[in-house]
Amino acid sequence: ETGVTQTPRHLVMGMTNKKSLKCEQHLGHNAMYWYKQSAKKPLELMFVYNFKEQTENNSVPSRFSPECPNSSHLFLHLHTLQPEDSALYLCASSQGAGVRIANEQFFGPGTRLTVL
Amino acid sequence: AQKVTQAQTEISVVEKEDVTLDCVYETRDTTYYLFWYKQPPSGELVFLIRRNSFDEQNEISGRYSWNFQKSTSSFNFTITASQVVDSAVYFCALSEASQGAQKLVFGQGTRLTINP
Repeated sequence: ETGVTQTPRHLVMGMTNKKSLKCEQHLGHNAMYWYKQSAKKPLELMFVYNFKEQTENNSVPSRFSPECPNSSHLFLHLHTLQPEDSALYLCASSQGAGVRIANEQFFGPGTRLTVL
Repeated sequence: AQKVTQAQTEISVVEKEDVTLDCVYETRDTTYYLFWYKQPPSGELVFLIRRNSFDEQNEISGRYSWNFQKSTSSFNFTITASQVVDSAVYFCALSEASQGAQKLVFGQGTRLTINP
């Protein structure tokens, strides 16, 4: 276990549904991330939060809406998704160092999303 | 723009063979970090190693070793005496140095299968 948990592990939803993915980290990190991993593309960074503030939105469609209420929790709210949004959604966290370095990110097990 | 290329999509070897996974990167930054992650069938990415651009020493950890060559922009990963448990998808990733959160750019991944 990496200290990052994600729920649910599997989700099947219709295109008109609204659902949310949850991520929680128990590592005391201050940065959290959402990634999308599909069969046809490498891991794609979606959103980055640092100390609860969104610092990166990698041109993600508005049907994906992130929320970071505190440094330990991250949500991804989903609505009116398309079948091509079916993928593994991974959450990660890392510790900002206060100096210019790059600490490793710790990943959760992911949520396997299927959009019908 | 940063880019990571893992030219080997799939590799299959017999147990106990040595195997090298290639990683080539592109960046204009002078300070950057390279990573390797392992993704077993469970889906969770497991951190293996971090290397900064100023440290070109090769590293060995048990059966794993890494060869960083700035001159060829490569950061290759070798597994010695491979085992079935090494079967997974392996990702190479690149990040610029940052005081806060980081943006990891991943390669396409190499699916490694170790046959008994």
